[in-house]
Amino acid sequence: GAGVSQTPSNKVTEKGKYVELRCDPISGHTALYWYRQSLGQGPEFLIYFQGTGAADDSGLPNDRFFAVRPEGSVSTLKIQRTERGDSAVYLCASSRTGTSGGLQETQYFGPGTRLLVL
Amino acid sequence: LAKTTQPISMDSYEGQEVNITCSHNNIATNDYITWYQQFPSQGPRFIIQGYKTKVTNEVASLFIPADRKSSTLSLPRVSLSDTAVYYCLVGGGSARQLTFGSGTQLTVLP
Repeated sequence: GAGVSQTPSNKVTEKGKYVELRCDPISGHTALYWYRQSLGQGPEFLIYFQGTGAADDSGLPNDRFFAVRPEGSVSTLKIQRTERGDSAVYLCASSRTGTSGGLQETQYFGPGTRLLVL
Repeated sequence: LAKTTQPISMDSYEGQEVNITCSHNNIATNDYITWYQQFPSQGPRFIIQGYKTKVTNEVASLFIPADRKSSTLSLPRVSLSDTAVYYCLVGGGSARQLTFGSGTQLTVLP
């Protein structure tokens, strides 16, 4: 079946602009995650959705970052007033039901969106 | 949050068994240990998960000692296509605990 898809695959923008990054999770997965990965580093957690609601947004670096998942499927990560330091690969992952109890559900990752802020 | 420590890089040759050890001294009672693999320009891919002793699947084995303060990912007979970054994750109670760290760059040589 289809995996997690992310669009665009690459995005170049200018400092101060607004960008939206889209994630289409695996159909039927209720949990959705956003990560940010800088060069040479592992993915850094940003936000976790369970259904339509943000169950944990503690990883968002500041109020310029916001994410929505209005219908419990597609999610959009929004970055306002972009800064050069926002340049990174933004990864989206989904899992069937999410993390609960002691067991981590397998997360299925998309290929990421490479964001470059000039 | 349980912090993990892995070697930055490892080299191996095709056909050899590779063992990558991860230290997690502060692992909590209900934490699971999970390993992911990441190729360049791709998102991470789940390899294996375990809680204690030994877990084996078609790709790898995971060895966890009784004190659970470390774990070892074992890849049998590696090939060039196993060249990737391998991440050890510890946690499970919340998404915030899913900390990847910097991972181990495995390079398989011909």
